[in-house]
Amino acid sequence: DAGVIQSPRHEVTEMGQEVTLRCKPISGHNSLFWYRQTMMRGLELLIYFNNNVPIDDSGMPEDRFSAKMPNASFSTLKIQPSEPRDSAVYFCASSSRQLYGYTFGSGTRLTVV
Amino acid sequence: QKEVEQNSGPLSVPEGAIASLNCTYSDRGSQSFFWYRQYSGKSPELIMSIYSNGDKEDGRFTAQLNKASQYVSLLIRDSQPSDSATYLCAAHSNYQLIWGAGTKLIIKP
Repeated sequence: DAGVIQSPRHEVTEMGQEVTLRCKPISGHNSLFWYRQTMMRGLELLIYFNNNVPIDDSGMPEDRFSAKMPNASFSTLKIQPSEPRDSAVYFCASSSRQLYGYTFGSGTRLTVV
Repeated sequence: QKEVEQNSGPLSVPEGAIASLNCTYSDRGSQSFFWYRQYSGKSPELIMSIYSNGDKEDGRFTAQLNKASQYVSLLIRDSQPSDSATYLCAAHSNYQLIWGAGTKLIIKP
């Protein structure tokens, strides 16, 4: 099993540009989570999908953030336009049964200058 | 507001000693609890899960749960420098994990 795969690993972009982060969950996992991690705020849940359907997006900070899961093997998190305060590490995690915990991807370190 | 509280540390422990990490949670309905280890610049990695009151051992790691006190702990025996990391405690509540801020553990050779 290749685990949860995220791309890119690092992204540096200029303020105002569109950023798209990608995630491939573990095959057979039906829950997918997007998190943001910063030193100040720790791990923050942005959005949760179950069976490809967004269940809770209350953690999405602003309308500039959007997420999609067109099928069971792919999800994207888009920021448009990006701002310096969006700089963080973004993690995707998946789970088959949440009671058993989540598996995290390697993360995308986003820097907006 | 459902919360998980951890001491941020750093917690400094001599090599070979027992490291004790603690957390408390607010949601009495939580049934599943997890400890994740996160090395600097890496993603969180699940190291222990516990669902019942009492102790659960896995190698050098022991997780302890006391639902009456809403308290979860992680003991690391024979601490090694490679155990130096941030340890995140999480409680399952409804459909998501509620995360603590993490305790930074430093094992001194």
